[in-house]
Amino acid sequence: QAQVVQSGAEVRKPGSSVKVSCRASGGTFSSHGINWVRQAPGQGLEWMGGIIPIFGTAHYAQQFQGRVTITTDESTTTAHMELRSLRSEDTAMYFCALSRGVVVIGDAFDIWGQGTTVSVSS
Amino acid sequence: DIQMTQSPSSLSASIGDRVTITCQASQDINKRLNWYQQKPGKAPKLLIFDASNLQTGVPSRFGGSGSGTDFTFTISSLQPEDTATYYCQQYDNVPPGVTFGPGTKVDIK
Repeated sequence: QAQVVQSGAEVRKPGSSVKVSCRASGGTFSSHGINWVRQAPGQGLEWMGGIIPIFGTAHYAQQFQGRVTITTDESTTTAHMELRSLRSEDTAMYFCALSRGVVVIGDAFDIWGQGTTVSVSS
Repeated sequence: DIQMTQSPSSLSASIGDRVTITCQASQDINKRLNWYQQKPGKAPKLLIFDASNLQTGVPSRFGGSGSGTDFTFTISSLQPEDTATYYCQQYDNVPPGVTFGPGTKVDIK
């Protein structure tokens, strides 16, 4: 059974960048979509984008275009999400989640990481 | 972009009650609709995929139906451990995109 473990909490200042990692194990890393979903305190879920490692091309939600980059490292079965030009509104829990099907990004997300808290404050 | 609405935004029900949540898409999404349960401080958990399919290991009191733009999620007999927020989610792959509904908070009366 696949599982994913995320990197630890981060604190950043406005205008800086943050990179969150998600390491997968126990499954076929390369062929399942890896997605990033965030949740601001007390708010709902927001999809940021996703990538299929064997294809290497990421797709992003329009509201994050130009500010986020999702990459993968197949040698370590790790996905990374970098968010730039941080502002206080980016304070949130960031989750990685695997697509249930193969070679798709849009899908049901059946495996989730534990979440990484990112706090943005001056 | 496809927008998702959910109703109600919150509800209180008694143990054993039947609970129903609706989700509406702004355009036809066929059956590309999933349901999640999220408890405070935890990651979401997939319950129903493709509108009506029960995820492995999920109790049979959870169910889903619908297609096109209108979907329903049901808990046939509410249990104490079902206190959570429930989200619908639509997806597409041409191009890839995902949208979550705003959520429905369910608690015990």
